[in-house]
Amino acid sequence: GQQLNQSPQSMFIQEGEDVSMNCTSSSIFNTWLWYKQDPGEGPVLLIALYKAGELTSNGRLTAQFGITRKDSFLNISASIPSDVGIYFCAGMKTSYDKVIFGPGTSLSVIP
Amino acid sequence: DAGVIQSPRHEVTEMGQEVTLRCKPISGHNSLFWYRQTMMWGLELLIYFNNNVPIDDSGMPEDRFSAKMPNASFSTLKIQPSEPRDSAVYFCASSFWRAEAFFGQGTRLTVV
Repeated sequence: GQQLNQSPQSMFIQEGEDVSMNCTSSSIFNTWLWYKQDPGEGPVLLIALYKAGELTSNGRLTAQFGITRKDSFLNISASIPSDVGIYFCAGMKTSYDKVIFGPGTSLSVIP
Repeated sequence: DAGVIQSPRHEVTEMGQEVTLRCKPISGHNSLFWYRQTMMWGLELLIYFNNNVPIDDSGMPEDRFSAKMPNASFSTLKIQPSEPRDSAVYFCASSFWRAEAFFGQGTRLTVV
């Protein structure tokens, strides 16, 4: 079953607004990943985090590896229509473990 | 690089038929993953290979599913016999390090 929880499940925002979403787990993960999936496409890696407390940016996206190693956060600043999609967090407990995906956060941006 | 290539993009088959999904990973990657995506269960890892060897197949639903990786540039996922509940989007992904996986566009399977 799912070991990762994402919130919110879905969100509707106005273009230009900032977005925050998070991912939590009852287990410790050593790697956190954030993916975005567009309709009809496979997930695309946005940001990878390898160290507790790490803060990494990719353009308007910023993600953080939680200090407890049980959570991660993704922020999108100044949202635009092409940000629409499903955002998945994923984690690995060890470097040799499988990647587990969260259920996703669906983002809709209203122009 | 063309990325991970999956074929076919869409497959419609009748219950009981054999289905074979194909994947060509990114050249140089040494890990390959098969995922299934459904509305109910999200993205589920079915099996993954490292250096062409199956490492963890605990996600394979049942004996009707099998996967092979005969060489570093090709993998197949086979369902025999197929059932309507197998309808889903199947993704193949590859990586050099297991974490940063690159996904193909998926195969949408419909079993009627």
